[in-house]
Amino acid sequence: GAGVSQSPSNKVTEKGKDVELRCDPISGHTALYWYRQSLGQGLEFLIYFQGNSAPDKSGLPSDRFSAERTGGSVSTLTIQRTQQEDSAVYLCASCRDPKGNEQFFGPGTRLTVL
Amino acid sequence: KQEVTQIPAALSVPEGENLVLNCSFTDSAIYNLQWFRQDPGKGLTSLLLIQSSQREQTSGRLNASLDKSSGRSTLYIAASQPGDSATYLCAVRRGSGNTGKLIFGQGTTLQVKP
Repeated sequence: GAGVSQSPSNKVTEKGKDVELRCDPISGHTALYWYRQSLGQGLEFLIYFQGNSAPDKSGLPSDRFSAERTGGSVSTLTIQRTQQEDSAVYLCASCRDPKGNEQFFGPGTRLTVL
Repeated sequence: KQEVTQIPAALSVPEGENLVLNCSFTDSAIYNLQWFRQDPGKGLTSLLLIQSSQREQTSGRLNASLDKSSGRSTLYIAASQPGDSATYLCAVRRGSGNTGKLIFGQGTTLQVKP
């Protein structure tokens, strides 16, 4: 079956613009995570969705970041008024087990803010 | 606060050598530990998942061990090959809570020379 997919693979934007990043999890996986990988910071958790429960947003770095997950499947991460420090690779992961066992990662979206 | 450290940051070995990558974590109350591989410009590929009750997991030429009490895990790669060249990341999941978010180390970049 298909793995986790993300789009776009690369995104270049100007400072101050809004961007949307998309994640399609593995079919049947109820848990979905967003992580950010940036130079010097490593991989950091951003947000977690599980079914219809309220998401865990504890990793979002500022209120310019938001995410939603429609119909318990596709998720969109939105960054408003992008800043240069938002440049990073944004990775999405999903897992079957609601308690978050083995996580399967997508290829990521490389975001560059000029 | 859980912190994950990987040593060394980079490693270069000749083909055929056996090698060990190290991962340490500060809080022993983990749910599980996962080793990933990341190729340049790619997402993460899960290699091995060790539950907190387990001591080791094996897959092919890979063996991962876990010593929860001392806060350590090792990834052993036997008979290394140039195709093993990649960055290896370890990540721990906290013992409490249901979000399953992972805390990552900074990774070890491995180069296997032909």
